[in-house]
Amino acid sequence: DGGITQSPKYLFRKEGQNVTLSCEQNLNHDAMYWYRQDPGQGLRLIYYSQIVNDFQKGDIAEGYSVSREKKESFPLTVTSAQKNPTAFYLCASSIPTGGGKRSNQPQHFGDGTRLSIL
Amino acid sequence: GENVEQHPSTLSVQEGDSAVIKCTYSDSASNYFPWYKQELGKGPQLIIDIRSNVGEKKDQRIAVTLNKTAKHFSLHITETQPEDSAVYFCAASPPNSGYALNFGKGTSLLVTP
Repeated sequence: DGGITQSPKYLFRKEGQNVTLSCEQNLNHDAMYWYRQDPGQGLRLIYYSQIVNDFQKGDIAEGYSVSREKKESFPLTVTSAQKNPTAFYLCASSIPTGGGKRSNQPQHFGDGTRLSIL
Repeated sequence: GENVEQHPSTLSVQEGDSAVIKCTYSDSASNYFPWYKQELGKGPQLIIDIRSNVGEKKDQRIAVTLNKTAKHFSLHITETQPEDSAVYFCAASPPNSGYALNFGKGTSLLVTP
């Protein structure tokens, strides 16, 4: 089945440690996104990538880093600089319309990674 | 940037009744408005979306209306069922934003039998 796979489902981080969250999609989507969700809050954009080897900061990029070396993969690293990393992290993908006509397309989400601090 | 406000934050209805969730947005250039349903421990699932060139869209028991002048859009669920219980999020996407979405804070819907 096509879809978005996030791993691990639960992750624990020690103080001062970097951790990397995996996001893989087999939908052949060009665009991928990382959002952070806190209890009782909407989703906030961390980073997004519209094509391979290119990515842009979202609203809350500080303390995070990403890479986009392959179309299928968009890993997120939560660095030690992120002082409040405990949250639910969601990855999404979509197909931007091509052919010179750009428009939004539905975003499909994975089932998230819950990150906690030990 | 785009700011999306969503009301109410919680909503309780009896099975068979209708539920309405409302959202307002700030950027008049926003042109895409999806609605997501999120169940506990899962990622959001798209249930319906509407573009700015359309005023209303319906899919079985779910409908969305858009008022561009007032900059608000609403989700309507008719004949609610217990399995409709979840958190619902609205979102808006202005152009030239990398197709990223700005989300409301969510509405927790409870449908009681």
